[in-house]
Amino acid sequence: DAGVTQSPTHLIKTRGQQVTLRCSPKSGHDTVSWYQQALGQGPQFIFQYYEEEERQRGNFPDRFSGHQFPNYSSELNVNALLLGDSALYLCASSFTKLIYRGYYEQYFGPGTRLTVT
Amino acid sequence: DAKTTQPPSMDCAEGRAANLPCNHSTISGNEYVYWYRQIHSQGPQYIIHGLKNNETNEMASLIITEDRKSSTLILPHATLRDTAVYYCIVPGVMNSGYSTLTFGKGTMLLVSP
Repeated sequence: DAGVTQSPTHLIKTRGQQVTLRCSPKSGHDTVSWYQQALGQGPQFIFQYYEEEERQRGNFPDRFSGHQFPNYSSELNVNALLLGDSALYLCASSFTKLIYRGYYEQYFGPGTRLTVT
Repeated sequence: DAKTTQPPSMDCAEGRAANLPCNHSTISGNEYVYWYRQIHSQGPQYIIHGLKNNETNEMASLIITEDRKSSTLILPHATLRDTAVYYCIVPGVMNSGYSTLTFGKGTMLLVSP
């Protein structure tokens, strides 16, 4: 059973460019969350997708947008890249019905390392 | 989310028990305590969670105080591969009615030979 997969592994972009990161959730999971992790910091929540809609969002500007597809995979898009967007971007998947029972266990992918120059 | 407080770093000798503390004094009655860890250059990994009672699984044990204001994650026989940042998290419910994980800086556990 494949876990959470992310692509690409590494990416180098220039300021002002746009980037798209991809995530495939663990089999059986229907919810995808995205996190940004700057060097030396804990992951920061960007947003969460369920049933192809953004269900909740953290404190990130509108330059950060996402999408979830019918097969539950997801994309994270960042426009007008800034140097400060350089970070490890993590995708995590979970099963929403378990959340109703108080289970917030999420499975994380290995991340995409984005460098903005 | 209930705020958690953890020491920034801890050391442990290989083979000994590692006891990682966490304070969560503002936790409410129905909030769980979750522990994750992140090995260098990898995504966070779920370890264990609990509500009131002590919990144990194949990775670790979780001891929660009776007043639920603090907890301790115990790795009974630490190995070099347990070197990682350990996060104690109390997920809260956001306006949407759902929850997510709010990570702090965690505790860097260094296991030495």
